[in-house]
Amino acid sequence: SYELTQPPSVSVSPGQTASITCSGDKLGDKYACWYQQKPGQSPVLVIYQDSTRPSGIPERFSGSNSGNTATLTISGTQAMDEADYYCQAWDSSSVVFGGGTKLTVL
Amino acid sequence: EVQLLESGGGLVQPGGSLRLSCAASGFAFSTYAMIWVRQAPGKGLEWVSLISSNGGNTYYADSLKGRFTISRDNSKNTLFLQMNSLRAEDTAIYYCAKTTGNAFDVWGPGTMVTVSS
Repeated sequence: SYELTQPPSVSVSPGQTASITCSGDKLGDKYACWYQQKPGQSPVLVIYQDSTRPSGIPERFSGSNSGNTATLTISGTQAMDEADYYCQAWDSSSVVFGGGTKLTVL
Repeated sequence: EVQLLESGGGLVQPGGSLRLSCAASGFAFSTYAMIWVRQAPGKGLEWVSLISSNGGNTYYADSLKGRFTISRDNSKNTLFLQMNSLRAEDTAIYYCAKTTGNAFDVWGPGTMVTVSS
């Protein structure tokens, strides 16, 4: 079955740029999207179709996808961005989530 | 306001059954595919099942086939998940979500399912 691999944790200083990767076989041939989940809350879509931000998502969130890796980039990271982030893609008719990355802002 | 609200969770003994519901409002429910996703305590997101907009096509995670059944009633704007032969490892928060293209843009608050004797 298809797998998406994310680093368990990423740390960033406030105001700096955070990059979270998601790796999968030929992931660049698929659309990747990203979800943010804060403790006790439901996931929120922050990037879809590799690089598109839904309405209401700050411009500091951006995405890219090429080769075997999709990347979520948060520019000028703020304390409120501390959360778990999950990548997601489709493999045939199955939905696949990455294992999640805990972003710590310190 | 676009909204999803799950219900039907609770405590069930191993081997038991539960039927989850997801009530949709604020959008044309019958025109969107819908999914169920679960999250075990302290763990990541796991896709459970997907149903097409008219209910004609259903898909399941390989690990769940034969035990769970997804369905929908477009006349009542409601999504369902029938869960049978429940196991301890099915303990999780169950979320329903609405599709938008290849992603899921609206999520409910989730309903907790606990399988324990």
